[in-house]
Amino acid sequence: DAGVTQSPTHLIKTRGQQVTLRCSPKSGHDTVSWYQQALGQGPQFIFQYYEEEERQRGNFPDRFSGHQFPNYSSELNVNALLLGDSALYLCASSPRDRVWNTEAFFGQGTRLTVV
Amino acid sequence: GDSVTQMEGPVTLSEEAFLTINCTYTATGYPSLFWYVQYPGEGLQLLLKATKADDKGSNKGFEATYRKETTSFHLEKGSVQVSDSAVYFCALNSANTGNQFYFGTGTSLTVIP
Repeated sequence: DAGVTQSPTHLIKTRGQQVTLRCSPKSGHDTVSWYQQALGQGPQFIFQYYEEEERQRGNFPDRFSGHQFPNYSSELNVNALLLGDSALYLCASSPRDRVWNTEAFFGQGTRLTVV
Repeated sequence: GDSVTQMEGPVTLSEEAFLTINCTYTATGYPSLFWYVQYPGEGLQLLLKATKADDKGSNKGFEATYRKETTSFHLEKGSVQVSDSAVYFCALNSANTGNQFYFGTGTSLTVIP
C-alpha cells in the first residue's frame, strides 16, 4: 500500500502566479482533506472533499480551490499567490464510513515557496 | 470553537529521560484525541489516539490518557531515545467538526545522547 502520495515534493513560484498541488489517497479511502502548515505552526484545515464535492471549508480565501476526481484523487489550486502562502501543504485521506473518530493518514506534503 | 493548546518548546532531554508534553483541549462535543509526530522533512504520522474519556492510547512506549475532567491528553514516555527527536502535535476531531482536525502548534523534542 503506497499510502497517501503527494506531488510535487517541492515547488517555487513567483508572487501572483497560480499553483496546482496533487494528492492520491490511501487505498480504500474516499475522503481527502487539505491542510496548510506554516513554518513552526500546526496544520490548518483548508477544505475537505468527498464524492467530488467540497464538504467543509476552513477559514481560507476563495483563492484556494480544489477538485476531487472519480478515482478519489484530489488537487489543490491556489491563485494569485502571496508570499504568505509559503508553507507545507499536507493532504490527508480517510474512509468516510468511519465517520469522525477515525484517524487521518497524511502524505509527505508539498513544500511551496513563493518568492 | 474547538481548539487545542499544547506545551511550547523546544524541549531538550538526555537519552533515557522521562518525557511529558502537555496538551489541553476545548471542544463543544465529545472529541477524539490524537498525537501525531513529524520527523524532519516529513509529513505527519499517527502516534496514538483515544476516542472516549479515560481511554489510554499507547504506541512505541508513548502513552496518553483522555482526561475529560481536566480536558487534557498529556503525552508521556518513560525513557526517550535519540530517534524520538521530532515535532509532536496534539489534535482533536469530533462530530461537531466532521472529520476536520484541530492541531496544536507543536512541540519540538530533541534527545541528546
